[in-house]
Amino acid sequence: SSELTQDPAVSVALGQTVRITCQGDSLRSYYASWYQQKPGQAPVVVIYGKNNRPSGIPDRFSGSSSGDTASLTITGAQADDEADYYCNSRDSSNTHYVAFGGGTKLTVL
Amino acid sequence: QVQLQESGPGLVKPSEILSLTCTVSDGSISSYYWSWIRQPAGKGLEWIGRIYISGSSNYNPSLKSRVTMSLDTSRSQFSLKLTSVTAADTAVYYCAREGSFSVFQDWGQGTLVTVSS
Repeated sequence: SSELTQDPAVSVALGQTVRITCQGDSLRSYYASWYQQKPGQAPVVVIYGKNNRPSGIPDRFSGSSSGDTASLTITGAQADDEADYYCNSRDSSNTHYVAFGGGTKLTVL
Repeated sequence: QVQLQESGPGLVKPSEILSLTCTVSDGSISSYYWSWIRQPAGKGLEWIGRIYISGSSNYNPSLKSRVTMSLDTSRSQFSLKLTSVTAADTAVYYCAREGSFSVFQDWGQGTLVTVSS
């Protein structure tokens, strides 16, 4: 099955810009989606498709992709952005399957 | 926005069957793919599988031999059965609505299932 690889932890100073990456073969063919998960809560999608934000998601969240790597960028990180972030996409070995990245813990300093 | 609600036993004995149901609030159960996703404490998300109104389903290869999903349109519910559970199946189980390109737009609040005797 396909694997999506994320850095386990990333930190950013308040108000600065941070990029969280997700790497995997399937990302050469499929877009990644990105989810924010705070402790004790269900994940919430923040970016999907080429660079789409669901209603209610601040425009400081954006997505991009190049080759086998997808990125979630937070421009002007806020304290409220401190959370775990997961990417997901189709599985390159079988497009009927879904793969999740291992998650990135974002700390806002 | 659709509301999803998981229900089922919070405690299951080893070797028994874990059964969960997800109720969909807005009647859209005939129009989307519906997935189960789980998360062991302190760990990442794992996709279990999905089902569609046609009855077609796809399961994570690592769980395929133990998983069955079903869908009941009359009750706006879909269900998960996981057989021969062990402590490794202890997790928060989420149901989710899956849109295009495997985007999980809507999630239930999650339900903790503990496998223990």
